[in-house]
Amino acid sequence: GAVVSQHPSWVICKSGTSVKIECRSLDFQATTMFWYRQFPKQSLMLMATSNEGSKATYEQGVEKDKFLINHASLTLSTLTVTSAHPEDSSFYICSARRGVSGAFFGQGTRLTVV
Amino acid sequence: DQQVKQNSPSLSVQEGRISILNCDYTNSMFDYFLWYKKYPAEGPTFLISISSIKDKNEDGRFTVFLNKSAKHLSLHIVPSQPGDSAVYFCAASARNSGGSNYKLTFGKGTLLTVNP
Repeated sequence: GAVVSQHPSWVICKSGTSVKIECRSLDFQATTMFWYRQFPKQSLMLMATSNEGSKATYEQGVEKDKFLINHASLTLSTLTVTSAHPEDSSFYICSARRGVSGAFFGQGTRLTVV
Repeated sequence: DQQVKQNSPSLSVQEGRISILNCDYTNSMFDYFLWYKKYPAEGPTFLISISSIKDKNEDGRFTVFLNKSAKHLSLHIVPSQPGDSAVYFCAASARNSGGSNYKLTFGKGTLLTVNP
């Protein structure tokens, strides 16, 4: 199946710093990628839709200035959590759409802000 | 408003028996449904999907049933194996909602434990 790679798999950062998470589609081009966030024992919540070459579309309640998304190429989207705070600690997951085959997920990034 | 509901947070079955995971949805625009399996600290892995034009899709030990009138779908795993122990997410999409989006709306998941 299609492979989506997410890096890093885990990161610990100090409060106030910024963290960048990368999502790459390794064997296909993805015009659309999605960023999700999962709280413990909760479902995956869509944060934003990342479109190659254009601005991301954010879901209601998601601060676009805090969660910066860049989809610079057909195989790479990045999520930058700016001025991170402990409440931003979560599991972040990206997915990439491959034609009509569906969405394939990265392995996720566990962010801990201390 | 939870558009995709998995009302059972957990399920425990014996190895070799059938596991039945249930999912209900409220949005009548949903026309494509997927099941994902997720281990802790990993991303979801696609298992099986079904389009609204079908009522059953089978892939090996996994079968998904869709009852559109009841807005209900279920995942059957038979025979269940200890390696199937994971959290299973039901997801739905309105593929014909326009544009290139493929937004998935997820349920909260059901933790399946298959006992040896």
